[in-house]
Parts: sequence; C-alpha cells; structure tokens
Amino acid sequence: AQRVTQPEKLLSVFKGAPVELKCNYSYSGSPELFWYVQYSRQRLQLLLRHISRESIKGFTADLNKGETSFHLKKPFAQEEDSAMYYCALITSGSRLTFGEGTQLTVNP
Amino acid sequence: SQTIHQWPATLVQPVGSPLSLECTVEGTSNPNLYWYRQAAGRGLQLLFYSVGIGQISSEVPQNLSASRPQDRQFILSSKKLLLSDSGFYLCAWSSNSEKLFFGSGTQLSVL
Repeated sequence: AQRVTQPEKLLSVFKGAPVELKCNYSYSGSPELFWYVQYSRQRLQLLLRHISRESIKGFTADLNKGETSFHLKKPFAQEEDSAMYYCALITSGSRLTFGEGTQLTVNP
Repeated sequence: SQTIHQWPATLVQPVGSPLSLECTVEGTSNPNLYWYRQAAGRGLQLLFYSVGIGQISSEVPQNLSASRPQDRQFILSSKKLLLSDSGFYLCAWSSNSEKLFFGSGTQLSVL
C-alpha cells in the first residue's frame, strides 16, 4: 500500500537558518511526489513537484529512491515561509496520498 | 481561467442531522474531482474521487457519500452526521496534468 510519512508535526527554526522538512514514502511503482503548502488563511496550493526539478520560493526537493525520501529544503528560512507543508505521492488514477503535514514556524 | 468554489465555509450541525457540501468548478470540462478531509491531528485523507458524471470511487468506508450530478459539480452528503464527521473538508479538481487545485474548504463541527 502507498504511504507517505512526515515524521515531524511541528518544526521551528529561526529566520536565516536552514530548514529541512522530511518526507518518506512507500510505493511499489515509480513514484511521483509533490509538496503542497497552506499559508495561514489561504488555500492549499502546489509548491513543487519532483519531475520538474525546480526551485520555488527558494525551496528544493530531491527524490532519493534509495532512501525513499523527498525532503524539502531551503538554505535560509524566511518568516513568510511559516505554513503547513504536505508531502504527497501520486498513485493510480491520479489520486494523491498525503502525509500528515508539518507545521513550520520561522521565528524572527 | 479555472476556478473552484466550495461552500459553506463553516458549518455547525447537530449529531444525527443531514449534511450537504457543494463544490463547483468553472473554466474547465470533465475535471477529476475529489473530496478530502483533514481531521484534527491527522493528514489529508482522500474520501471520494470522480472521473465523470455519476462515477464515484470511495476510498474509505464511512458515514458519508458523494454524488456528481453534473460535470462540474461534486456534492458531499450524509443522512445522519456523527461526532467523528467533524473536520475540515476540501474539494479539489485536476486535469490530466495531475496538479490539484483546492477549494477554500469547509470547517464542519458536529455537536
């Protein structure tokens, strides 16, 4: 069965510090992974997807098939990065399986 | 451009009462439609998935049902709400690009 695990429910860092939100998955097929973000009082929205290998708002995520991980990283966190982050895995029929989410707080 | 509307934003209902949450999409045709729920302390759980009118897939056994009477309308219902139905419900749509677009959500409190 497909599963996405985000081991940290809460993560707090100071502004300017590096941040890494962990995501591990289990899936027997070829994975397609995403990070979604929900800022306070805003809709859940796509942050990035692994196949595009892009950097959005300074965030990057590399798919590591050996470790079955897709950790989200940013070298210098900003206060506006404070949000709820969800890792997601696409399964059959274009259905996304989400992790439980990590609430990131960036302190001034 | 495509937009998704979901209402109501908040809802307080007594146990045993019926439920109807509506979601509509504009600016696209034949979208894939989804209902997700985010319960307190848990992640987003897929409840229902639809690839077309009248085609509903249920992901988990539960007290809820879904219907798609029109191409761009997706309704989440219950005949009798339970306390455990409380949570934040999100409607979403996607095309074959797999990117999901979410509604603004409904906070349901069952008392």
